[in-house]
Amino acid sequence: DQQVKQNSPSLSVQEGRISILNCDYTNSMFDYFLWYKKYPAEGPTFLISISSIKDKNEDGRFTVFLNKSAKHLSLHIVPSQPGDSAVYFCAAAYNTDKLIFGTGTRLQVFP
Amino acid sequence: NAGVTQTPKFQVLKTGQSMTLQCAQDMNHNSMYWYRQDPGMGLRLIYYSASEGTTDKGEVPNGYNVSRLNKREFSLRLESAAPSQTSVYFCASSVITGRSQPQHFGDGTRLSIL
Repeated sequence: DQQVKQNSPSLSVQEGRISILNCDYTNSMFDYFLWYKKYPAEGPTFLISISSIKDKNEDGRFTVFLNKSAKHLSLHIVPSQPGDSAVYFCAAAYNTDKLIFGTGTRLQVFP
Repeated sequence: NAGVTQTPKFQVLKTGQSMTLQCAQDMNHNSMYWYRQDPGMGLRLIYYSASEGTTDKGEVPNGYNVSRLNKREFSLRLESAAPSQTSVYFCASSVITGRSQPQHFGDGTRLSIL
């Protein structure tokens, strides 16, 4: 049973526009959420995180929104750049401190 | 600034062969992790080590053993490789074990079992 779901396997966005990547979870015990970015032939790189006591966290062009009632989080990238083209994984954790990863969304930013 | 280094990058094994995947980090991190990534699935935790001398099972530990040799190194061993273990393996480390602590990943080992 997939506890963390990224239902869109891919997303294509024009350079300069907003990219919105979505993630849904089923376990209401999750209290910490992270986004990782992965380029081909490299390991995932930590991007941004959010605690369940917040509903928004911002870091430069990246903003993560958390809607606990809907068990949904999203990553907004504004403006999108070609270098943002990568696979994005969301991950969730609760008191076991183990991360549960989603299946990833491949973002392509075109000129 | 090597970060997390995994060796080898690629390996092909025959069913039943054994192999050890090596991982070393130079960031003085206490916690280390082994994940596998399969097509259409997220990364799944195999084993982790919260500190030197301790190891714990993750989500998919069957068929694997680990060894935390020292603070820097955390190896993953397949005693008798099976085709179901064909995957990309990632090692990661973090300052401490904790969901608020970002994990730093190596570039992966692509393993094929024939």
